Amino acid sequence: GQQLNQSPQSMFIQEGEDVSMNCTSSSIFNTWLWYKQDPGEGPVLLIALYKAGELTSNGRLTAQFGITRKDSFLNISASIPSDVGIYFCAGRDVQGAQKLVFGQGTRLTINP
Amino acid sequence: DTGVSQDPRHKITKRGQNVTFRCDPISEHNRLYWYRQTLGQGPEFLTYFQNEAQLEKSRLLSDRFSAERPKGSFSTLEIQRTEQGDSAMYLCASSVGTNYEQYFGPGTRLTVT
Repeated sequence: GQQLNQSPQSMFIQEGEDVSMNCTSSSIFNTWLWYKQDPGEGPVLLIALYKAGELTSNGRLTAQFGITRKDSFLNISASIPSDVGIYFCAGRDVQGAQKLVFGQGTRLTINP
Repeated sequence: DTGVSQDPRHKITKRGQNVTFRCDPISEHNRLYWYRQTLGQGPEFLTYFQNEAQLEKSRLLSDRFSAERPKGSFSTLEIQRTEQGDSAMYLCASSVGTNYEQYFGPGTRLTVT
């Protein structure tokens, strides 16, 4: 099925560093969402984006809806140990009705 | 406001057995979704309800899978004649109105032996 291309697949950083990850699609999306998932749990919604060019923050997290409507970016500033987990982008394309299409995830590991 | 709840959290079954999972959405959320997630992958859409009506089904949802939401509140997902390939995390999510923000439950991890 359709999937989003999310990169990088994994990141190993030092505590306090900033993090950037992105997500691209071959088709135009109307909505972009970013989730974080801890082992054995369901994804937790972090940020939702609805308009091309939109920049939205949630604490140390900032996400952007790409101008082309085919990509989105997530930045985490001054990472802390609890940021460890898998981050997923998800999107709703113009023909996708209500369903979300997910990327493969970015696994974030932080060295204290 | 409680979140989405799923029961059971874990299920181990033998190949060929039937299993049923339950999802209780956030109160007053009229839309309910089922996804499946295998190890190392993102969730994949299975099906979606608006109130009690099942409006969309993925091709992943074979005829061994059936989902219901009889009163527009909780939902059940049944898998008949389970196969080892059905082993996965089954996630439920809900949303309200025209808001496309989907809130997920903790998932049910199914292991078919």
